[in-house]
Amino acid sequence: QVQLQESGPGLVKPSETLSLTCTVSGGSISPYYWSWLRQPPGKGLEWIGYIYYRGNTNYNPSLKSRLIMSVDTSRNHFSLELTSLTAADTAVYYCARGMSVARGTFDIWGQGTMVAVSS
Amino acid sequence: EIVLTQSPATLSLSPGERATLSCRASQSVSSYLAWYQQKLGQAPRLLIYDASNRATDIPARFSGSGSETEFTLTISSLEPEDFAVYYCQQRSNWPLTFGGGTKVEIK
Repeated sequence: QVQLQESGPGLVKPSETLSLTCTVSGGSISPYYWSWLRQPPGKGLEWIGYIYYRGNTNYNPSLKSRLIMSVDTSRNHFSLELTSLTAADTAVYYCARGMSVARGTFDIWGQGTMVAVSS
Repeated sequence: EIVLTQSPATLSLSPGERATLSCRASQSVSSYLAWYQQKLGQAPRLLIYDASNRATDIPARFSGSGSETEFTLTISSLEPEDFAVYYCQQRSNWPLTFGGGTKVEIK
């Protein structure tokens, strides 16, 4: 059974860079699309972007200038870097797998990791 | 980007009742619409993909319908574990977008 686990700091200072990793266990990172999503406290869901196992990316235009995603197939994980953080980036960050039959639909999710941006 | 509008914002029902949730898209998304359930403190769970296909292990009381700009999620008879927030999401156009959610609460 495939499981995803996010890891990273729970607190980041304004203007700094957030680095998160999602580790895939119980299955291979290929040949899927892998996404990051986030949910501010008490609010709805926002898609951040995806990375294909071969390294192709597609980012939400609202975050594109601050975002880098990468994948390491040897370690079965993928990562997110979000720069120039502000309080508006405070959210639960999720990683999720795109379905093979419906690429932009998410069938497996990590439990989420809360990230607070505060000095 | 495509805006998804869900209604109602809150649905107050009793166990055993039928729930009908709506999702309207600002432009056609064909059948590329999914529904998720989210309980407090948990990650979303995929219920329906491509408008009407139940995801793995989803009970038959959940069904989806619609196309283009109008979609419906129906829960035929609410079980206690169904009280949660439900989101629709489109994969027709980038960026992928979600609706604002419908909370199904116990009356």
